[in-house]
Amino acid sequence: EAGVAQSPRYKIIEKRQSVAFWCNPISGHATLYWYQQILGQGPKLLIQFQNNGVVDDSQLPKDRFSAERLKGVDSTLKIQPAKLEDSAVYLCASSPGRQRVGDTQYFGPGTRLTVL
Amino acid sequence: RKEVEQDPGPFNVPEGATVAFNCTYSNSASQSFFWYRQDCRKEPKLLMSVYSSGNEDGRFTAQLNRASQYISLLIRDSKLSDSATYLCVVILVTSGTYKYIFGTGTRLKVLA
Repeated sequence: EAGVAQSPRYKIIEKRQSVAFWCNPISGHATLYWYQQILGQGPKLLIQFQNNGVVDDSQLPKDRFSAERLKGVDSTLKIQPAKLEDSAVYLCASSPGRQRVGDTQYFGPGTRLTVL
Repeated sequence: RKEVEQDPGPFNVPEGATVAFNCTYSNSASQSFFWYRQDCRKEPKLLMSVYSSGNEDGRFTAQLNRASQYISLLIRDSKLSDSATYLCVVILVTSGTYKYIFGTGTRLKVLA
């Protein structure tokens, strides 16, 4: 079974530039998550999709971050404009979406963003 | 108070030692609990779920104490390959949806 795919793996940009990340979840997984992991910290949920609907985006800085999952499959996360403090690893995860006892999440390899 | 708290470590232990980590959570409505393992510059991977009755998987034992609101992970006979960051995950049900909350992780270094 193919895992969660993410691209690019690394990105270096200057502050105030824009950047976009792509995620393709495991086939058939209804729930997709975007996390931000700053060095030395645990992953912080930015946004959670159930199919193509947003379930939770309470921690997404909506003035600069946006995400979409138009067809309920792959997803993009955009930052515009980037700030220095956005330097982090952006992890995408997916889960089957049954959510009866809390699904296991499967993570992609992440995109390491450096903002100069 | 943070929703999920872990001692960041590092815990430096010799090979063969037994080591235990705790993770405390603040919301008594938390429903499910997991331990994830994260190797340096890699993504988190599920290590084990934590059940109310406690559960064991080889050298790893997870326990849940709802009264005191903490979960624990015990690793017996530590191996060099156990060196990693161990993330505690708590699932909170709010408004009918599940919210995953990660701790900051505990770093373990197993020394030869």
